Amino acid sequence: DTEVTQTPKHLVMGMTNKKSLKCEQHMGHRAMYWYKQKAKKPPELMFVYSYEKLSINESVPSRFSPECPNSSLLNLHLHALQPEDSALYLCASSQGRGSGANEQFFGPGTRLTVL
Amino acid sequence: DAKTTQPTSMDCAEGRAANLPCNHSTISGNEYVYWYRQIHSQGPQYIIHGLKNNETNEMASLIITEDRKSSTLILPHATLRDTAVYYCIASMNRDDKIIFGKGTRLHILP
Repeated sequence: DTEVTQTPKHLVMGMTNKKSLKCEQHMGHRAMYWYKQKAKKPPELMFVYSYEKLSINESVPSRFSPECPNSSLLNLHLHALQPEDSALYLCASSQGRGSGANEQFFGPGTRLTVL
Repeated sequence: DAKTTQPTSMDCAEGRAANLPCNHSTISGNEYVYWYRQIHSQGPQYIIHGLKNNETNEMASLIITEDRKSSTLILPHATLRDTAVYYCIASMNRDDKIIFGKGTRLHILP
């Protein structure tokens, strides 16, 4: 299985809602990533988990809270978002630091709209 | 990671080879050149990577100059499905972090 899956595909939420984005991979990868992508812009790295520990946080506001319950799953918990947080949220995975290759495999993304 | 520079957009006729250039003049000795592409409304897709030698896989070929300051991604027989934004990234192979630049928007023309 060489696929990264993300749910839901689309999400509409109000500014007071709490929601979660989910990502799953079964490739045995030990690094997982969250990216944010605005329209017509490149993906921007948000968080990196390496061996289930948060290794990189790109100064992301605390209204975004990542969680890695195990090596196959990655969640992004959302609370009190702003309309400007509307974007495509991409999850990716790779073999991780120390391995010979580090190409990242991306999921299809969750398109988030904050009203 | 070293900064990369790519043309904003390129056109290529269907069936012809698409040659996408990338400049990475400040690349360090332990940084690899990675190429990804993103088809509209999909997640990015890994294409190929290399360090010094030219590389080829089922999707593309990567030609790296001897001084490693630039590279070219070659799609040998472009199809309409190759229309996408192509990103060239210089990154240490053991580094978890990659930074996407603006990429090249490739249009394959029928």
